[in-house]
Amino acid sequence: DIQMTQSPSSLSASVGDRVTITCQASQDIRNYLNWYQQKPGIAPKLLIYDASNLETGVSSRFSGSGSGTDFTFTISSLQPEDIATYYCQQYNTLSFTFGPGTKVDIK
Amino acid sequence: QVQLQESGPGLVKPSQTLSLTCAVSGGSVSSGGYSWNWIRQPPGKGLEWIGYIYYSGHTYYNPSLKRRVTISTDTSKNYFSLKLTSVTAADTAVYFCARGYGSGRFDYWGQGTLVTVSS
Repeated sequence: DIQMTQSPSSLSASVGDRVTITCQASQDIRNYLNWYQQKPGIAPKLLIYDASNLETGVSSRFSGSGSGTDFTFTISSLQPEDIATYYCQQYNTLSFTFGPGTKVDIK
Repeated sequence: QVQLQESGPGLVKPSQTLSLTCAVSGGSVSSGGYSWNWIRQPPGKGLEWIGYIYYSGHTYYNPSLKRRVTISTDTSKNYFSLKLTSVTAADTAVYFCARGYGSGRFDYWGQGTLVTVSS
């Protein structure tokens, strides 16, 4: 099974800050990596697919990069509405695994 | 706009079978290129993929759950279902249904339904 790790597990930043989350896969997953935002009590929302593609309708302040085993998710300028938990998710060999999540708060 | 809606009992007794359905509107479970997935989230914890059924009827399950899981579709009513047998308290979670597309991304989700396993 492919394991996913994320860091940090939580962070606090000020409005306007650049925020970066990393995700690492236990083996090469090429670019089969997606990022989701989940707010309390609400289903996750797809933000980035295939490591770096912005889902239609999603703010351009969200971006992703990486391939192989190491991936990065960035919020270019943190806004109050970005308070949420962010999950990476891999797809490989017919199976799916989510990272443990990164909780983002406003300082 | 595709919409998914989960339904089913909110309380299941230990050792019994959890059964949920996901009604799909704005799209068809028979549409080529999509998978129909179940994902769960224990209270306060992360997301766990349970399994999917492909538009062709092919299924694939999380290896850690596969002995207890069955996912099926009813194309006439345009919904898909989850059955999880021999449940324990560890199966208490919010259960989401979601559409899978492309390289395994989940682009549409239901709102989720909380299932509690308790006597």
